Amino acid sequence: GIQVEQSPPDLILQEGANSTLRCNFSDSVNNLQWFHQNPWGQLINLFYIPSGTKQNGRLSATTVATERYSLLYISSSQTTDSGVYFCAVVIYNFNKFYFGSGTKLNVKP
Amino acid sequence: DGGITQSPKYLFRKEGQNVTLSCEQNLNHDAMYWYRQDPGQGLRLIYYSQIVNDFQKGDIAEGYSVSREKKESFPLTVTSAQKNPTAFYLCASSPGQGADRQFFGPGTRLTVL
Repeated sequence: GIQVEQSPPDLILQEGANSTLRCNFSDSVNNLQWFHQNPWGQLINLFYIPSGTKQNGRLSATTVATERYSLLYISSSQTTDSGVYFCAVVIYNFNKFYFGSGTKLNVKP
Repeated sequence: DGGITQSPKYLFRKEGQNVTLSCEQNLNHDAMYWYRQDPGQGLRLIYYSQIVNDFQKGDIAEGYSVSREKKESFPLTVTSAQKNPTAFYLCASSPGQGADRQFFGPGTRLTVL
């Protein structure tokens, strides 16, 4: 099956710092989403980005489908950004998502 | 409010008992999904349904069962055949029948005593 690898697995930042999270996938995809899981377990949609670049406030994401990776940028991090960030992909002709194992982010005040 | 609700939030079960987790959505989404999350891990797909009265096994369906009698409801039963059921269970839905963008409910934490 498809492999979805996220890096780094853990990240500690000082408030105000910037970071880049990476998602590599082993097959061509027609769907990719980034999620933030808060400390209570709720998954929040961040981006639906099968290709290209999108921005939403301090967060932005870029997917280069031909090279099979996606990046999530967090600028001027805040303590509320803490949690686990997941990417999930759907490969062509399959109707299910494959999740990476996540990047656990801890932003310290 | 539109959204996905899961109940209960916490559930305790004795070994050997079946238990049913509820998932309801009022988003008029066609597809619904159940995932299992173990501590420090990603999400693994249990079952999914793209349309009423139809569903498919995911990657870890053994010991679980589902039904999709109504568009807005997709209950998951954890049976006694599931050897290690303690986990966090998440339900999701998508607008289309294909794997469109997903939206998640708040989850149910199941503990087997």
